[in-house]
Amino acid sequence: GENVEQHPSTLSVQEGDSAVIKCTYSDSASNYFPWYKQELGKRPQLIIDIRSNVGEKKDQRIAVTLNKTAKHFSLHITETQPEDSAVYFCAASIRNNDMRFGAGTRLTVKP
Amino acid sequence: DAGITQSPRYKITETGRQVTLMCHQTWSHSYMFWYRQDLGHGLRLIYYSAAADITDKGEVPDGYVVSRSKTENFPLTLESATRSQTSVYFCASSEGGGLPGGQYFGPGTRLLVL
Repeated sequence: GENVEQHPSTLSVQEGDSAVIKCTYSDSASNYFPWYKQELGKRPQLIIDIRSNVGEKKDQRIAVTLNKTAKHFSLHITETQPEDSAVYFCAASIRNNDMRFGAGTRLTVKP
Repeated sequence: DAGITQSPRYKITETGRQVTLMCHQTWSHSYMFWYRQDLGHGLRLIYYSAAADITDKGEVPDGYVVSRSKTENFPLTLESATRSQTSVYFCASSEGGGLPGGQYFGPGTRLLVL
């Protein structure tokens, strides 16, 4: 089955700096790559996603890039703010029933 | 987010007891999922359901039972709870269809097995 690896496990940045989280996947058939943000004690929330027919997608300060050849995708957050502090999860999926998640990245934005 | 709810939010039980976690969604989503979240493991799929009366195993199904008699409900039962089942359980739903899409999570149930 699909295996998703996520790096780094923790990331600390200064407010206003950019943050990049990277994920790799193993199954070349995966075609859907969502990112979730989970604040402490809360549920994971979908923040952005990308499909395999698109190389990049942007939504305000967040963007996701996908390299199908290398089987990796990344989350980019620009102009970070303290409220961006959370755990971020990447995931990869071929079908609705087969979403595999990375282990998560704890992002801390220092004011 | 109020479209998917879980109950109870917190549960303490003892080893060997049966526990049922409830999940209800109001979006009429076809797919529903149960995940457990443990430190260092991210989210792992326990069971999923593509429609009423259709369920199947995920990555870590042992010790769990599910049913889906109605589209909106997807209860998860621990038949004989063990300490290793102490975890945070999230229910999720998605629209389904031909391509995978975003899953929307409930608020979670924190389960402690003593």
